Amino acid sequence: DGGITQSPKYLFRKEGQNVTLSCEQNLNHDAMYWYRQDPGQGLRLIYYSQIVNDFQKGDIAEGYSVSREKKESFPLTVTSAQKNPTAFYLCASADAPIPYDGYTFGSGTRLTVV
Amino acid sequence: KQEVTQIPAALSVPEGENLVLNCSFTDSAIYNLQWFRQDPGKGLTSLLLIQSSQREQTSGRLNASLDKSSGRSTLYIAASQPGDSATYLCAVVDYGGATNKLIFGTGTLLAVQP
Repeated sequence: DGGITQSPKYLFRKEGQNVTLSCEQNLNHDAMYWYRQDPGQGLRLIYYSQIVNDFQKGDIAEGYSVSREKKESFPLTVTSAQKNPTAFYLCASADAPIPYDGYTFGSGTRLTVV
Repeated sequence: KQEVTQIPAALSVPEGENLVLNCSFTDSAIYNLQWFRQDPGKGLTSLLLIQSSQREQTSGRLNASLDKSSGRSTLYIAASQPGDSATYLCAVVDYGGATNKLIFGTGTLLAVQP
């Protein structure tokens, strides 16, 4: 079955550490997205990519980095520059440039700073 | 700038009741509108996708309508069940700028009492 796989489900980060969240899709979608969700707030776009080897900053990109070396994969690195990284992170994919079939989301990664 | 609003923010109903969730958006220049469901601590599950040229979509007990000219969509849930309890999000794909981004509403938290 086609879908998006995010791993790990739970991740703990120490102060000053960089951590990487994995997102893999087998839907043959060109576009991939990372969102952050905080309690009581809506989803906010961190980064997106519409084609391999290209990506763009979203609304809250500071303290994050991404790469898109393969169509299927869009890993997100939360760097030590991100001062408040504790949140629920969601990855999504869609057709590009027009998402005719809508967006598909993964099951999320919950990141906690310890 | 596109803004998406959902009313009510929270709703509690007894089991078996029919209910309507509302979604409004400020700019009618959209490709499509998608309704999602999110259970606590989980990712987003797509419920219904309505293209801009369509008026409604149905899946089982769910029916979503779209009125682009008035900037409104409704999600109708028939014969509600306790398993329907979740947060419901609507989102539009906005065709502005170089990227077609998904813009989320504020969500409706639904509780169906047994």
